[in-house]
Amino acid sequence: AQKVTQAQTEISVVEKEDVTLDCVYETRDTTYYLFWYKQPPSGELVFLIRRNSFDEQNEISGRYSWNFQKSTSSFNFTITASQVVDSAVYFCALSGGSQGNLIFGKGTKLSVKP
Amino acid sequence: GAVVSQHPSWVICKSGTSVKIECRSLDFQATTMFWYRQFPKQSLMLMATSNEGSKATYEQGVEKDKFLINHASLTLSTLTVTSAHPEDSSFYICSARRGGTNTEAFFGQGTRLTVV
Repeated sequence: AQKVTQAQTEISVVEKEDVTLDCVYETRDTTYYLFWYKQPPSGELVFLIRRNSFDEQNEISGRYSWNFQKSTSSFNFTITASQVVDSAVYFCALSGGSQGNLIFGKGTKLSVKP
Repeated sequence: GAVVSQHPSWVICKSGTSVKIECRSLDFQATTMFWYRQFPKQSLMLMATSNEGSKATYEQGVEKDKFLINHASLTLSTLTVTSAHPEDSSFYICSARRGGTNTEAFFGQGTRLTVV
């Protein structure tokens, strides 16, 4: 069965701290995609990154970076020098549902305090 | 990125009435659209997959007669909550895929439904 686990339900940090959001996935597919989405209080889902299973290179985009470790089935997300605007719920997702849908983790609520 | 527009953003309706939510892909054709439901502080759960020109595929436990899905064109899918009850109050989000499996899914803004 395919599954995404985000063990951290809530994280609270102070502005400028670095924070890492964990994501562990399970799949039997050899080809799959992993995603991270941000959901601010307004509710819309903001796409952050999509990574295919054959590309294990880490990626950096500004203050955001992602560490994909296929050996441990993890796709962790780090925010460097966090800011209050980073406060949101972050979802990790895996492609490959029976309908080609995304399978979401339960989300991690990040609160960045000034 | 591609744009998916969902309307309305929020709606309040009385018990027993029906509510229609629209999901449009504005700048691409979407052969497949997905409807998710999100309870407060919960994850997104797939309700159904909507394919243009054919019947929707519902997930186990989702009532087909209650959540009517129509995907009449390549840019529009609608979800109608029929005979709504307070327990149907939730956040409903659609997403559309521009290409085949594993391509990026773009999400609408979501619709917050409150049934009173």
